[in-house]
Amino acid sequence: QQQVKQSPQSLIVQKGGISIINCAYENTAFDYFPWYQQFPGKGPALLIAIRPDVSEKKEGRFTISFNKSAKQFSLHIMDSQPGDSATYFCAASHSDYKLSFGAGTTVTVRA
Amino acid sequence: GAVVSQHPSWVICKSGTSVKIECRSLDFQATTMFWYRQFPKQSLMLMATSNEGSKATYEQGVEKDKFLINHASLTLSTLTVTSAHPEDSSFYICSAPTKGANYGYTFGSGTRLTVV
Repeated sequence: QQQVKQSPQSLIVQKGGISIINCAYENTAFDYFPWYQQFPGKGPALLIAIRPDVSEKKEGRFTISFNKSAKQFSLHIMDSQPGDSATYFCAASHSDYKLSFGAGTTVTVRA
Repeated sequence: GAVVSQHPSWVICKSGTSVKIECRSLDFQATTMFWYRQFPKQSLMLMATSNEGSKATYEQGVEKDKFLINHASLTLSTLTVTSAHPEDSSFYICSAPTKGANYGYTFGSGTRLTVV
């Protein structure tokens, strides 16, 4: 049973556009919500992460929005660039226990 | 920042042989290491959790006699795929949590295993 549900499975966006990926979770004990970016043949790299005491976190072109009551969080990629084409995974964990990953979203940015 | 070095990055082996994958924490002590397997176009699936000085904990459906995990020191964890078969071909990734109030996870770069 997947503890973190991610959508969409894939998306295509024009250069300069906004990419939005959504995740939902059930376990209210989760207290760490990271997003990872993965390129083919590489391990996942941390992009940005949020903890439930804030509702939004921004780092450069990447923003996490967090809705604790709805148990949802999302990643927004502003001004999408071809170099952002990758697979993105949301995840969640509590304490420093094992991460539960979403299914992944393949983002393609068209020039 | 915390770095986990994973080797080899890719390996090809013959059916029936064993392959060892190493993950080293370079600038921190990893008392715990998570081992994942990832098939093409799929998410990371946790295989097992290793803890320094104790037996690994395997996820349901993962054969502990086939995937031997050793965590002999605070900086080294190894995964050995024994009697490998083509269906074991996959991308294997390790990850260590960095402790503390603002904990996170550091991932290795992954090992592409191809069994022929």
